[in-house]
Amino acid sequence: DVKVTQSSRYLVKRTGEKVFLECVQDMDHENMFWYRQDPGLGLRLIYFSYDVKMKEKGDIPEGYSVSREKKERFSLILESASTNQTSMYLCASSLPGYEQYFGPGTRLTVT
Amino acid sequence: QQQVKQSPQSLIVQKGGIPIINCAYENTAFDYFPWYQQFPGKGPALLIAIRPDVSEKKEGRFTISFNKSAKQFSLHIMDSQPGDSATYFCAASMMASYDKVIFGPGTSLSVIP
Repeated sequence: DVKVTQSSRYLVKRTGEKVFLECVQDMDHENMFWYRQDPGLGLRLIYFSYDVKMKEKGDIPEGYSVSREKKERFSLILESASTNQTSMYLCASSLPGYEQYFGPGTRLTVT
Repeated sequence: QQQVKQSPQSLIVQKGGIPIINCAYENTAFDYFPWYQQFPGKGPALLIAIRPDVSEKKEGRFTISFNKSAKQFSLHIMDSQPGDSATYFCAASMMASYDKVIFGPGTSLSVIP
């Protein structure tokens, strides 16, 4: 079974802090994704990576950056957390052209 | 337009009922329409998917109906069970950018015994 793990289930940070969300997949997938999930808005793509060190902006990249130094690991970075970044963050991975497998999510609260 | 619209926002049905979730899109370049199911505390998981060259697809108790001319598609759950209680997302993508999936806002389904 594909396994996508996220470093934390719940995280509370203060405004202005630098926040790292880590995602690891164990199926040698080329693609990895970061989404945020908000009620009534569904899942919105923040960033997408199709190879090590390669990344593409999604629909809402402002305020976020990403890092993919190894194939299995994709990190989302909030350089200076703000309260409007309080959300559920979901990581996913896939082979190109195939279904995405999601992790359990990290619920981030910025106070 | 990249948006995928979805209704209703929430739905409550009795066990055995047939909940129906409707979705609509504008971009005729979309050519792959998956549905994802998400249980509380879990990430979404692919439930069933359809391409526009067919009008209906069934997998077990789940059926997708697709109306290409109306740019609408829907999910029907036959003989619904309490274990089907979850949030359902319709989505769309294009072969040209196959891995970029546009999700609808989601429908929270509760099936009561």
